[in-house]
Amino acid sequence: QSALTQPASVSGSPGQSIAISCTGTSSDVGNYNLVSWYQQHPGKAPKLIIYEVARRPSGVSGRFSGSKSGNTASLTISGLQAEDEADYYCCSYAGSSTFVFGTGTKVTVL
Amino acid sequence: EVQLLEFGGGLVQRGGSLKVSCAASGFTFTSYAMKWVRQAPGKGLEWVSGITASGGSTYYADSVKGRFTISRDNSKNTLFLQMNSLRAEDTAVYYCAKTSGNYYEDAFDIWGHGTMVTVSS
Repeated sequence: QSALTQPASVSGSPGQSIAISCTGTSSDVGNYNLVSWYQQHPGKAPKLIIYEVARRPSGVSGRFSGSKSGNTASLTISGLQAEDEADYYCCSYAGSSTFVFGTGTKVTVL
Repeated sequence: EVQLLEFGGGLVQRGGSLKVSCAASGFTFTSYAMKWVRQAPGKGLEWVSGITASGGSTYYADSVKGRFTISRDNSKNTLFLQMNSLRAEDTAVYYCAKTSGNYYEDAFDIWGHGTMVTVSS
């Protein structure tokens, strides 16, 4: 199972919006509405910020939103803040009770 | 407070074995599937294994199939990962994670702090 493809890095200025893509195949991202996104600060455990493509867990800022088109899912962060600087990972259910994570994207707030 | 606490990591020689555990608290452990996810130093996340709420079904990534065994003790709210025939590439922080909903396929909403496993060559 190959990792989902994400850009290695994305940057933006405070207040701007950025988008992170997550490209898979018709066997994972394209076949299930079970894409989730995780935020990970250095030395910390990942935190769930989006599940089922576009749903936000309670307590997660509305500045985070998710979408999917075909084999590519996307995470958008609006009104970028310094605290958003972290690594972001997408994850998709891949069938046969397996999961696949993305390669990870480092977000830098300029 | 919903919490997962891993322990049991350490240094082990190549070809050796290690069993890591994850103690759950603050939620009805018996109602949720559980997963193990690992992260090699400086690398990304990799799903390793999953187990249904009852423990009746277990699943593995190809990279660990036949070497790792996931299990759970629902009477003690504890998840386990037995790792045998360890390789250098198994060196990673191992996280346990709770499934967010009632289905095995759901996202991972609660994560432990992780336990480091180092395989020496």
